[in-house]
Amino acid sequence: ETGVTQTPRHLVMGMTNKKSLKCEQHLGHNAMYWYKQSAKKPLELMFVYNFKEQTENNSVPSRFSPECPNSSHLFLHLHTLQPEDSALYLCASSAGTGVSGANVLTFGAGSRLTVL
Amino acid sequence: RKEVEQDPGPFNVPEGATVAFNCTYSNSASQSFFWYRQDCRKEPKLLMSVYSSGNEDGRFTAQLNRASQYISLLIRDSKLSDSATYLCVQRAAGNKLTFGGGTRVLVKP
Repeated sequence: ETGVTQTPRHLVMGMTNKKSLKCEQHLGHNAMYWYKQSAKKPLELMFVYNFKEQTENNSVPSRFSPECPNSSHLFLHLHTLQPEDSALYLCASSAGTGVSGANVLTFGAGSRLTVL
Repeated sequence: RKEVEQDPGPFNVPEGATVAFNCTYSNSASQSFFWYRQDCRKEPKLLMSVYSSGNEDGRFTAQLNRASQYISLLIRDSKLSDSATYLCVQRAAGNKLTFGGGTRVLVKP
């Protein structure tokens, strides 16, 4: 248990469905992230939130909609996804977003998404 | 050229042997580096940070060569449990973290 919990662990959805991924961290961190990991590709940063304010959107399509109600919770709302969006979605948190050595990422176990 | 490049492997390593692999980066302004380990179908976990002077943590040694723009990871006395994918991560200005594609290591009896 890393202190970052993601649910659901597995999700299968059709292209017309609406679903949400949830992430919760119990580490007292202030920054939270969504990453996408596709087969045979490096991790891709999607969104960064620091003190629940979005600080980075890495040109992510609008069918992915993040929500950060507080520093401990992060959601990724999904709608009208495409089959190529099938991937492992990883949530991470860090103490902050500066260059301090303390700001390393702690990842959750991921939500494996399959879009039919 | 990719910002962070790694040999995908796999590196097939006999148990007890030493294995080393590199990660090259293109952004000379990169400020810090890390090695993460990712087991099959699991999340990445921080293995170690990489310091300019090189650092060691048990059987693992990380080196940074800024002149040639690469970092390395060496694993001594490989264990079966060392089998994993090792991800190189660079932190550049603006705190942008970039991951390499990973190097897969398979330790065999």
